[in-house]
Amino acid sequence: IAGITQAPTSQILAAGRRMTLRCTQDMRHNAMYWYRQDLGLGLRLIHYSNTAGTTGKGEVPDGYSVSRANTDDFPLTLASAVPSQTSVYFCASSEGGTSDYNEQFFGPGTRLTVL
Amino acid sequence: GQNIDQPTEMTATEGAIVQINCTYQTSGFNGLFWYQQHAGEAPTFLSYNVLDGLEEKGRFSSFLSRSKGYSYLLLKELQMKDSASYLCAVRDSNYQLIWGAGTKLIIKP
Repeated sequence: IAGITQAPTSQILAAGRRMTLRCTQDMRHNAMYWYRQDLGLGLRLIHYSNTAGTTGKGEVPDGYSVSRANTDDFPLTLASAVPSQTSVYFCASSEGGTSDYNEQFFGPGTRLTVL
Repeated sequence: GQNIDQPTEMTATEGAIVQINCTYQTSGFNGLFWYQQHAGEAPTFLSYNVLDGLEEKGRFSSFLSRSKGYSYLLLKELQMKDSASYLCAVRDSNYQLIWGAGTKLIIKP
């Protein structure tokens, strides 16, 4: 069982280019999340999905889009990358809903540098 | 606004005890989580508190006081492998996690 996988592990991207970060989970979790983590700041939620077919905006959604065509996959797209999007991106999943416990499981992260 | 405060960095000695504090101000409260994150790795779940009091899990314990907006993570019998960042996160009224910036714990022999 892999849990959550992310690809690529790292990427250097020219400003203005389009980039899709991939995330796949095999735990049949309903909810999935994309965070970015920057030095000195907490994890910040970009977009989330409570169930397949639905998505929502988090704290810092501008410049990013997501889709959730099925339960397992939750890709994050940067339509036109800018240097301020240089960060470590984590995908996470949880059972979802308002269940009491509902811990989030994280993928290994994608380190993205935009030049 | 929503805010989670934790010390930026702490240093402790191998074999000792350390307490990492977290204070929060959020729109609603549906539980508090502690995660551990080693450098260059993903966060991993440590503990969850939703009611006031102490939750113990091996060498790690977590305490919550909802009236004070306060939690702490207590690590006993520190080992070198405990060197990591410890992240406090509160689940708000929308069931989204609000994260602190993390406390980097340095363990010295």
